[in-house]
Amino acid sequence: DSGVTQTPKHLITATGQRVTLRCSPRSGDLSVYWYQQSLDQGLQFLIQYYNGEERAKGNILERFSAQQFPDLHSELNLSSLELGDSALYFCASSGWYTDTQYFGPGTRLTVL
Amino acid sequence: KNEVEQSPQNLTAQEGEFITINCSYSVGISALHWLQQHPGGGIVSLFMLSSGKKKHGRLIATINIQEKHSSLHITASHPRDSAVYICAVLSYNTDKLIFGTGTRLQVFP
Repeated sequence: DSGVTQTPKHLITATGQRVTLRCSPRSGDLSVYWYQQSLDQGLQFLIQYYNGEERAKGNILERFSAQQFPDLHSELNLSSLELGDSALYFCASSGWYTDTQYFGPGTRLTVL
Repeated sequence: KNEVEQSPQNLTAQEGEFITINCSYSVGISALHWLQQHPGGGIVSLFMLSSGKKKHGRLIATINIQEKHSSLHITASHPRDSAVYICAVLSYNTDKLIFGTGTRLQVFP
């Protein structure tokens, strides 16, 4: 158990819909990272937040947005969903003192 | 060409064999991670390296910064080692993790 929690575990929705994925980092970790793992693209970095502020941005689509709240939990919002958005979405967290990232169990999103 | 290349893509072994998985990268890095992803999907961070060698149980990771190459070794492999092993580098310029495509390892009893 990494100490990072993600909800929900599974999500099935239709094209055009909007969903919110939630991540709670390990206690004390200020950084939260979001990753997408699809069958054809492998793991890809989406976005990083540090103590509520956006720190780095990767291959995140404009239809996707994220935020980190004062209690350090983070949400990834995916809108106007397409079939190709079906993937595993991982959240990871790290402390200020290390680059080691601890991964949550992931949310499996299926868009029908 | 991918910035992080892993070899082999697939690997099968008999229990007890010594396993080596290789990772080459083409960008400047501040650290390199080895991750393990089990069939259920969960990802575990095995090692983070910026130089030299690290050992944890039957796992050994090495990195050669000059050659931009890292290896993950598994000694006395066991069926429970069956997983996808992913190399990821932390880009020095962008501070972002760039992932290899993974090596799928199957260890048979």
